Amino acid sequence: KAGVTQTPRYLIKTRGQQVTLSCSPISGHRSVSWYQQTPGQGLQFLFEYFSETQRNKGNFPGRFSGRQFSNSRSEMNVSTLELGDSALYLCASSFLGKDTQYFGPGTRLTVL
Amino acid sequence: AQKVTQAQTEISVVEKEDVTLDCVYETRDTTYYLFWYKQPPSGELVFLIRRNSFDEQNEISGRYSWNFQKSTSSFNFTITASQVVDSAVYFCALSEASETSGSRLTFGEGTQLTVNP
Repeated sequence: KAGVTQTPRYLIKTRGQQVTLSCSPISGHRSVSWYQQTPGQGLQFLFEYFSETQRNKGNFPGRFSGRQFSNSRSEMNVSTLELGDSALYLCASSFLGKDTQYFGPGTRLTVL
Repeated sequence: AQKVTQAQTEISVVEKEDVTLDCVYETRDTTYYLFWYKQPPSGELVFLIRRNSFDEQNEISGRYSWNFQKSTSSFNFTITASQVVDSAVYFCALSEASETSGSRLTFGEGTQLTVNP
C-alpha cells in the first residue's frame, strides 16, 4: 500500500500571503489529522477530519483551516501568513481515528 | 488535560551500547493509547509501537523493547545493541479514548539519540 503523501514538500512564502497544503491518506483510511512542528513548540495538533467533517480542533487561530474531500484527501489552508507559521506541517492518516496514525513526509513551510 | 514528558533532550552513545529512552505521561482517562515514533533527519514520523492502557505486557521487537508501567505512568523504550542507523529523534505520544479527543496525539518533546560508530 502506498503511504501518506503530502504536497508540496517545500514552500517559501512571504508574510501576508496564504498557502494551501495537500495530504493524500493511505487508501481506505478515513481520518486525516494535521500537526505543526516547530523547534520552540514541538509537535502540536491542528485538527482532524473524518468523513469530510472536522471532528477535533487544536488551539490554533482561525487563520488555520482545513477540509476533507469525499475521497478522504485533505487540504489545510493558512491565511495571512506570519513569520511564526514557519514550520514542518505533518499530515497523518488512520482508518477510524482511534487506531494508529501513519504520517506523511511533511511540508516544510518557510515564511519570509 | 493530557501531558507527555520526555526528560532526556539528547542522548549520545557508542554503537552496540544499550540505551533507554524515558517517557512519563499524565491523563485523567482510564482508557488511552501510548505510542512511540521515530523521526529521522528526513522529517517523516515513523510508527514504532502502539499500546493500550489495559495491556501492560512488555513487548520486544528485534532490538527494540518497551516497558509499560501504569503504576508510575511510564512507557520506556530500550534499544539493545544500538546502531548508527538508530540515530534519530524519538517521540512518545498519548491519545485518549474519549470521543471528544478524537485522534488527537499529544507528543512529548522528543529525545535526540545519536549513536556514534
